[in-house]
Amino acid sequence: DAEITQSPRHKITETGRQVTLACHQTWNHNNMFWYRQDLGHGLRLIHYSYGVQDTNKGEVSDGYSVSRSNTEDLPLTLESAASSQTSVYFCASSPVVLGTGELFFGEGSRLTVL
Amino acid sequence: QKEVEQDPGPLSVPEGAIVSLNCTYSNSAFQYFMWYRQYSRKGPELLMYTYSSGNKEDGRFTAQVDKSSKYISLFIRDSQPSDSATYLCAMRGSGNTPLVFGKGTRLSVIA
Repeated sequence: DAEITQSPRHKITETGRQVTLACHQTWNHNNMFWYRQDLGHGLRLIHYSYGVQDTNKGEVSDGYSVSRSNTEDLPLTLESAASSQTSVYFCASSPVVLGTGELFFGEGSRLTVL
Repeated sequence: QKEVEQDPGPLSVPEGAIVSLNCTYSNSAFQYFMWYRQYSRKGPELLMYTYSSGNKEDGRFTAQVDKSSKYISLFIRDSQPSDSATYLCAMRGSGNTPLVFGKGTRLSVIA
């Protein structure tokens, strides 16, 4: 079955370290997204991509970067982790179709920055 | 003011109750309206989808959109403990634009 997987599922790191969260989907979807979910804020869009070599900033992109070198993967990098980036991160993908634009989410990556 | 407002709850109801969940929005360009359900420690999954105004029913679930009031609702009839989850409204405009999510409402259905 096609799926979307995130790794690691849990990570603890220290302030100032670089962290990369991986996202891999096997649906061959062109659209991929990274969200963070925090109590009191819901899901907020960090970065998104509509295809290979395409990346766009979302609502809360400061301190994060992404690159899209193939259709299947959109890794999220925290260049210098900060305590404010402690959160649950969700990757999602969707096909390029008019209509629902339904997002298919991964299981999430829980990041703690000490 | 955020584009999409949703009361985070929590909301606790007895089994069998009718549940009403709501969102308001400010962007009149929104045309596609969705409800996602998220179980604890899982990713959200699409529950209902509505295009423009109107109602849509799927089993015990009914989604309503009132574009004139910029107000959307999700009704759950005969609620079950298995409905206990966080419900997130989401919406977007035309074309290939990203979804904007509400904060989510945490629902508990007590047996």
